Amino acid sequence: KQEVTQIPAALSVPEGENLVLNCSFTDSAIYNLQWFRQDPGKGLTSLLLIQSSQREQTSGRLNASLDKSSGRSTLYIAASQPGDSATYLCAVIRGGSNYKLTFGKGTLLTVNP
Amino acid sequence: DADVTQTPRNRITKTGKRIMLECSQTKGHDRMYWYRQDPGLGLRLIYYSFDVKDINKGEISDGYSVSRQAQAKFSLSLESAIPNQTALYFCATSDLTRPLSYNEQFFGPGTRLTVL
Repeated sequence: KQEVTQIPAALSVPEGENLVLNCSFTDSAIYNLQWFRQDPGKGLTSLLLIQSSQREQTSGRLNASLDKSSGRSTLYIAASQPGDSATYLCAVIRGGSNYKLTFGKGTLLTVNP
Repeated sequence: DADVTQTPRNRITKTGKRIMLECSQTKGHDRMYWYRQDPGLGLRLIYYSFDVKDINKGEISDGYSVSRQAQAKFSLSLESAIPNQTALYFCATSDLTRPLSYNEQFFGPGTRLTVL
């Protein structure tokens, strides 16, 4: 059974700092990994999707990396802003799962002005 | 307009009542999913559907049923609501034409359901 773990559960940083969020998964036979952002009381916004054959994806100040063999992904946020405050979730689709996402429990990020 | 919409956005009901949550999408996707989110447990899959004739149980389908009325509509029903079904419910879609490695899921805004 695939398990996805996100560390830390919560993170508080001052504005302008670069930061890294971590995601690990137990079964390396994944097809892709997706990072989401969730604002309080709102839905999930897809940030980045990394295919299993890729090592990283970038979108603006966000960079996500994937090391499938070690079961790890990181989400790097450059020059953090208060508007980045949200919960960040990672999720994987593993082989044989019939397109089902398995989610981590998320990292609650607070960026202080 | 949002690509994936859910109604209602908030609902308070009583134990034993029948509740239906609705999801509509304009993305033209064939695959649709229902998840629930609980504090400390993350998101878990309830049901999923790959087309109007295909319905599959997810991890936690007990106490729930679904209906795929059309490609764009997927409803979740609680036949007799109980307090531990209090949660945030999300609908999601993905594109059948995309290969699995590029299967990106898009989520609706969620329905907050409280069962008293």
